[in-house]
Amino acid sequence: DAGVIQSPRHEVTEMGQEVTLRCKPISGHDYLFWYRQTMMRGLELLIYFNNNVPIDDSGMPEDRFSAKMPNASFSTLKIQPSEPRDSAVYFCASSFNLAGRGRYNEQFFGPGTRLTVL
Amino acid sequence: AQSVAQPEDQVNVAEGNPLTVKCTYSVSGNPYLFWYVQYPNRGLQFLLKYITGDNLVKGSYGFEAEFNKSQTSFHLKKPSALVSDSALYFCAVRGAYYGNNRLAFGKGNQVVVIP
Repeated sequence: DAGVIQSPRHEVTEMGQEVTLRCKPISGHDYLFWYRQTMMRGLELLIYFNNNVPIDDSGMPEDRFSAKMPNASFSTLKIQPSEPRDSAVYFCASSFNLAGRGRYNEQFFGPGTRLTVL
Repeated sequence: AQSVAQPEDQVNVAEGNPLTVKCTYSVSGNPYLFWYVQYPNRGLQFLLKYITGDNLVKGSYGFEAEFNKSQTSFHLKKPSALVSDSALYFCAVRGAYYGNNRLAFGKGNQVVVIP
């Protein structure tokens, strides 16, 4: 199993540009999570999906952020327009719901995308 | 609301000595508790979890953790630390109620194992 795949691994962009981060969850997993990690705020949950449907987006900072999951094997996190304060490492994670006990199951994290907005 | 406190920023330990990383939690109702480890430039890796049953949980790489309900703690332990255990360790909690799939992470503890 290749694990959770994220691309790109590093992204450097200028303020005002659109940034798209991509994630492929582990096959068979039906939960997908997007996190942001910074030194100041630690690890923050931005949004999560269940069966491709967004369930909780209360962590999305503002309207500049949007996330989609068009199918079970692909999700994107888009920032438009990007700002320097968006610089962080963005993680995607997935987990599976075993017999309705999804909240028991650990999340598997991708390697992250390090975003730098100049 | 659910939250985790990891009181120490950094834990220094000599190789071969016991390693303890502290975690206390706050949650409504029963907790599901997790430990993750993060190596430089890598994603978080799952170490172990407590859901129910035996308070002592054993996980990967010789790590274990003890759930203490009265003290609302879930400290991570390893009897003999290795230099390769140097990493960032995260404790996380999820309240055990229907519909809750959010994990609350602590700020992380940097563990430095000194050769």
